[in-house]
Amino acid sequence: DAGITQSPRHKVTETGTPVTLRCHQTENHRYMYWYRQDPGHGLRLIHYSYGVKDTDKGEVSDGYSVSRSKTEDFLLTLESATSSQTSVYFCAISESMRPGEKLFFGSGTQLSVL
Amino acid sequence: QQQVKQSPQSLIVQKGGIPIINCAYENTAFDYFPWYQQFPGKGPALLIAIRPDVSEKKEGRFTISFNKSAKQFSLHIMDSQPGDSATYFCAASQGGSEKLVFGKGTKLTVNP
Repeated sequence: DAGITQSPRHKVTETGTPVTLRCHQTENHRYMYWYRQDPGHGLRLIHYSYGVKDTDKGEVSDGYSVSRSKTEDFLLTLESATSSQTSVYFCAISESMRPGEKLFFGSGTQLSVL
Repeated sequence: QQQVKQSPQSLIVQKGGIPIINCAYENTAFDYFPWYQQFPGKGPALLIAIRPDVSEKKEGRFTISFNKSAKQFSLHIMDSQPGDSATYFCAASQGGSEKLVFGKGTKLTVNP
């Protein structure tokens, strides 16, 4: 998957607990994204980063925060997980020339919030 | 507001058939229209893409047809095979934007 590693691959947690998902890339791409995938909703952008310490919100950012302290790592944090955040989370990366075009996706993290 | 509307939600065809998946958009500033293919347990992968200056693009058995005036584009899979069974997403972006907007996806099943 184009040098993208997501961890963990599966996680079960309880409502109200904090959760951090990690995306690691070896491609040195500038742009990194977090999407969630839910039945009937397709892929929705949560947050994205256009450089170290540079991030912005997507369409479903409420309840999520992100951090990028190194080019290769992009972290997604659920401060207090809720059942509505049960989903499959995908990280994606993109080259910088036309970043909104060719995205390379990781294999996803299945998160269940009980 | 859904920026890219995709239909149908699911589609079943026989081997050798030609499934067609349709997408419509509203934002006339969109200038790049890709299709992504996703197999179970995997992330989506870019399949084929088109820009508005052409009406059709073919790559192997996959064809995108683009109708700028109608603000619609579609994916055709010629001689479909069981291995094409996957979820397909259309998407759109505009020049200079970091973001790609996805449709809701179509689950395609190709029966042997």
